[in-house]
Amino acid sequence: DAGVIQSPRHEVTEMGQEVTLRCKPISGHNSLFWYRQTMMRGLELLIYFNNNVPIDDSGMPEDRFSAKMPNASFSTLKIQPSEPRDSAVYFCASSLGTAEAFFGQGTRLTVV
Amino acid sequence: KQEVTQIPAALSVPEGENLVLNCSFTDSAIYNLQWFRQDPGKGLTSLLLIQSSQREQTSGRLNASLDKSSGRSTLYIAASQPGDSATYLCAVRLGTGGFKTIFGAGTRLFVKA
Repeated sequence: DAGVIQSPRHEVTEMGQEVTLRCKPISGHNSLFWYRQTMMRGLELLIYFNNNVPIDDSGMPEDRFSAKMPNASFSTLKIQPSEPRDSAVYFCASSLGTAEAFFGQGTRLTVV
Repeated sequence: KQEVTQIPAALSVPEGENLVLNCSFTDSAIYNLQWFRQDPGKGLTSLLLIQSSQREQTSGRLNASLDKSSGRSTLYIAASQPGDSATYLCAVRLGTGGFKTIFGAGTRLFVKA
């Protein structure tokens, strides 16, 4: 398996634009997580899904953030409208239940 | 609310030294604890996973221990090498409330040749 695949790797966008981050979990994994990492706040869990169903989205900072998992092999994290303070590295991770979690390489988002 | 703390925040050691990284958590109701390594600009690489019923796990030069009752885990690195230089993060999977994972801020390790 190629591991958790995220796209794009880098995204630069203007304030106010919509941003969509994509994640393909490891095949067979049924838990998927979205994290945001910044120097100031470290790694923060935004939302996680189990069997494609959002279980806990209490980490989603604002209504501008939304996440979907239409099937077991694909998830998106959308920011609309984006703001400069959303600049961070966004990671997607997957696991089989509560077993070891595997992370993607991340998407570095810069909002100017 | 579960809080995860890692000490020290940064560590610089000469090559060959054995070292210990510490992780503490406030709520002992955890499902498991996982240690990760992160290289600059990269994602997280899983090193070791300890289930709540286990006391330790070993992989090569790495040994991780877990003491749930005291809310502590340690990552022991034997015979450190410059290639071990990275940030090491511990993450606690909660045992209640949906199995969320909470990360510590990490220990930045630098091993000098």
